[in-house]
Amino acid sequence: DAGVIQSPRHEVTEMGQEVTLRCKPISGHDYLFWYRQTMMRGLELLIYFNNNVPIDDSGMPEDRFSAKMPNASFSTLKIQPSEPRDSAVYFCASSLLPSGNTIYFGEGSWLTVV
Amino acid sequence: GENVEQHPSTLSVQEGDSAVIKCTYSDSASNYFPWYKQELGKRPQLIIDIRSNVGEKKDQRIAVTLNKTAKHFSLHITETQPEDSAVYFCAAILKAGNNDMRFGAGTRLTVKP
Repeated sequence: DAGVIQSPRHEVTEMGQEVTLRCKPISGHDYLFWYRQTMMRGLELLIYFNNNVPIDDSGMPEDRFSAKMPNASFSTLKIQPSEPRDSAVYFCASSLLPSGNTIYFGEGSWLTVV
Repeated sequence: GENVEQHPSTLSVQEGDSAVIKCTYSDSASNYFPWYKQELGKRPQLIIDIRSNVGEKKDQRIAVTLNKTAKHFSLHITETQPEDSAVYFCAAILKAGNNDMRFGAGTRLTVKP
């Protein structure tokens, strides 16, 4: 299995630009998670999906952030417009039912907004 | 994770010594407690986990203990080696029945040769 695949691995963008991060979960996994990691705030859960349906998006910082999962093998996290404080590593992760199973992380998307 | 507290934030030990990292959680119904290791520039990776029906689990030099009454669990690394140097995260599901895994703030472990 190729694991959770994220793209891009690195992105540098200017403030105000739209950023789209992509994720392919492990095949057969029912849950998909988006986490953000910064030195100040650690690993924060932004949103998670179960069977393509968003279950909890209470961690999404503000309206500039949106996430979609149009099918079982693809999800996007979009930031529009981006701001320097959005600079972080964004991890996508997936796991298999039932609740409480191992979460597997992708390699992360390193975002820098200048 | 605001409801998963982890201590200490940094830990430095000599090679061969033991290291202990502790976490507490808030929801008494939580039943799954994984530990992740994150090396510099890499993804967090599961190293060991424990479920609430057991009190201790061991895998070679790594062990995890769980005290459900006190709502805390600990990671124990014995005979530490320089390659154990990394950031370690504990995690727990905040709301039983959901799957929103929340992480502690992390412990940066340094093993000095």
